[in-house]
Amino acid sequence: AQKITQTQPGMFVQEKEAVTLDCTYDTSDQSYGLFWYKQPSSGEMIFLIYQGSYDEQNATEGRYSLNFQKARKSANLVISASQLGDSAMYFCAMREDSGNTPLVFGKGTRLSVIA
Amino acid sequence: DTEVTQTPKHLVMGMTNKKSLKCEQHMGHRAMYWYKQKAKKPPELMFVYSYEKLSINESVPSRFSPECPNSSLLNLHLHALQPEDSALYLCASSQELRESYGELFFGEGSRLTVL
Repeated sequence: AQKITQTQPGMFVQEKEAVTLDCTYDTSDQSYGLFWYKQPSSGEMIFLIYQGSYDEQNATEGRYSLNFQKARKSANLVISASQLGDSAMYFCAMREDSGNTPLVFGKGTRLSVIA
Repeated sequence: DTEVTQTPKHLVMGMTNKKSLKCEQHMGHRAMYWYKQKAKKPPELMFVYSYEKLSINESVPSRFSPECPNSSLLNLHLHALQPEDSALYLCASSQELRESYGELFFGEGSRLTVL
């Protein structure tokens, strides 16, 4: 079974608008971390934001926020005021304290920002 | 600028060649990783070193041979590769291997083409 599910292969958003990228996860661990990475066409994986399973508040980093709904096992990324430079592939990922795989990635969502 | 440095950025090699990919980090991280990423796919874990010892080998063919000379360096030796091994090879590091709260820092990747 997939541990990280990203159901949107591609998304379009108008410049300056907000966009939500969906991510659901599956784990039986109590302690885990959720991450979002951005990968532009250059290839580098850029860390964006982190949410711990015990964090009660949603994480925010500048224009990025993570909508964490623990009971629903979802960790959606919200990008506010989209910019052309936000066009990239976005991966949701999870680390589990007891997991054998250090970081499990979803399949990714390609975001295209339109002027 | 990324704090994980990978060289070379691009590599073209024949199936009989021997080459190496190099990765360096100076963040004092104790875990280092090699990932392979095919186009439009998420990164797939290949190897993990923790405290300079091989901790995880995801059943990678022996034509890929990792080496960790010291805590800052990680090499991937390539020999007798196949065209299907053409991919982006990403190196990453983290503070520790088994923790759910630390992000992985990625390099810009080495784009490998096997002819």
